[in-house]
Amino acid sequence: GENVEQHPSTLSVQEGDSAVIKCTYSDSASNYFPWYKQELGKRPQLIIDIRSNVGEKKDQRIAVTLNKTAKHFSLHITETQPEDSAVYFCAATPFLFSGGYNKLIFGAGTRLAVHP
Amino acid sequence: DTAVSQTPKYLVTQMGNDKSIKCEQNLGHDTMYWYKQDSKKFLKIMFSYNNKELIINETVPNRFSPKSPDKAHLNLHINSLELGDSAVYFCASSQEGLAGGGTGELFFGEGSRLTVL
Repeated sequence: GENVEQHPSTLSVQEGDSAVIKCTYSDSASNYFPWYKQELGKRPQLIIDIRSNVGEKKDQRIAVTLNKTAKHFSLHITETQPEDSAVYFCAATPFLFSGGYNKLIFGAGTRLAVHP
Repeated sequence: DTAVSQTPKYLVTQMGNDKSIKCEQNLGHDTMYWYKQDSKKFLKIMFSYNNKELIINETVPNRFSPKSPDKAHLNLHINSLELGDSAVYFCASSQEGLAGGGTGELFFGEGSRLTVL
C-alpha cells in the first residue's frame, strides 16, 4: 500500500520568509496529491492539490510542485504570515484509477510556526 | 449550514464502556469516511462507505464497527473502550469518480475528541 513521508516535522520561520515542506510517496500508481491545513483545534481543510499530469500549481502565495520520477512533491508558501501557522499535511492516493474511491494516505504532518 | 457534522464533540468515558459517534453530511456526497487522529496529530483512515457499502476497512480492531444507514450518515460504534482509543475521530465525505464531478477533496467534520480514563 501507499506510504507517505513528510519533512520536516516542525518548521519555524519569520514573517515574510518562505516555507517549504517536502513529501515522498511509495506507490507509483498514486496520481492525486492534496495538501491540507489544520489550525489548532480545527478540522483539516484542503488548501491546494495537484494531479500527476501537472508538474506545478500555484494559488496566490502557495504553490505545489510534483516530481513523478522521484516520487516527491512539495508545498511552498511565500511571504508567510502569522495566520499561516498551523499543521500542514500532505497526502497521496491513486484517486483517478482506483475505481473512484479516494483512499487518501496522509503524511505525519508539519507544524509551521510563523513569528511576527 | 454545517456541511459535515459530528456528535458529540467531546466524549469522556471509562475503560470498558461502549460509545457511539454520529456523523451526517448535507453535501449530497456518495462517500463517507472515518479518520483517527492520535496525540501526535497523525491522521489515519479507518473506514470508508460508498452509498452505504463498506469499501475501505483498514486494520482496525473489530471493537470498532461502522454503520451507514443511508449515504448521508455514517456512525461509529466502539465496544470495550481502551486507553489507546483516546484520540480525535474525524468524519469526512467526498464526491467520488470523475464522472460524478468528484474532485478528490475531503470535507471533514469538526472532530469528536474521545478520552478514555
